[in-house]
Amino acid sequence: KNEVEQSPQNLTAQEGEFITINCSYSVGISALHWLQQHPGGGIVSLFMLSSGKKKHGRLIATINIQEKHSSLHITASHPRDSAVYICAGQETSGSRLTFGEGTQLTVNP
Amino acid sequence: DAGVIQSPRHEVTEMGQEVTLRCKPISGHNSLFWYRQTMMRGLELLIYFNNNVPIDDSGMPEDRFSAKMPNASFSTLKIQPSEPRDSAVYFCASSLWIERVREQYFGPGTRLTVT
Repeated sequence: KNEVEQSPQNLTAQEGEFITINCSYSVGISALHWLQQHPGGGIVSLFMLSSGKKKHGRLIATINIQEKHSSLHITASHPRDSAVYICAGQETSGSRLTFGEGTQLTVNP
Repeated sequence: DAGVIQSPRHEVTEMGQEVTLRCKPISGHNSLFWYRQTMMRGLELLIYFNNNVPIDDSGMPEDRFSAKMPNASFSTLKIQPSEPRDSAVYFCASSLWIERVREQYFGPGTRLTVT
């Protein structure tokens, strides 16, 4: 069992739909990172959070420390949101990230 | 700022050859990370440095891999000798460590193919 697990692995949506990607972790972490990897391969950090909720534009990330669970939501999805979304747990004692396997999101027009 | 710079962007080499990947972190950042991404294993941390000092190299697969950070603006990842199973995309990322690490900024990656 991986220390960080994501679901679903693949997600197809229609433009405008509300999207949720889930991330569960089995070890203690100091922070949870959400990353976006574009079809061209570039990786962008979306959020880093250790409690509560963060919002940036149409993206919202939440974390429940007690349940060891985080979610990434996309409101009013758009084809340009199509990418791989990766969650990663940061170890409590340092900077090491342990990555989930990623969620391939495809938003159709 | 130009962001994290990696070179080369693509490298094709024959098995047994030495490969050197280069990274220039964002100016002012004091943490640098080397990652490898493959279809089979996803993203994996190879090594990271704080203030030019290697902190955690437990992800380095074997002695064929070595990484250095001679100064705050430059790091190398060397594979000698290279093998086909080393084919992957290698990412460098940098961050600012104060009390704890902040978000990481990734370079564009180097796609390595070993034939």
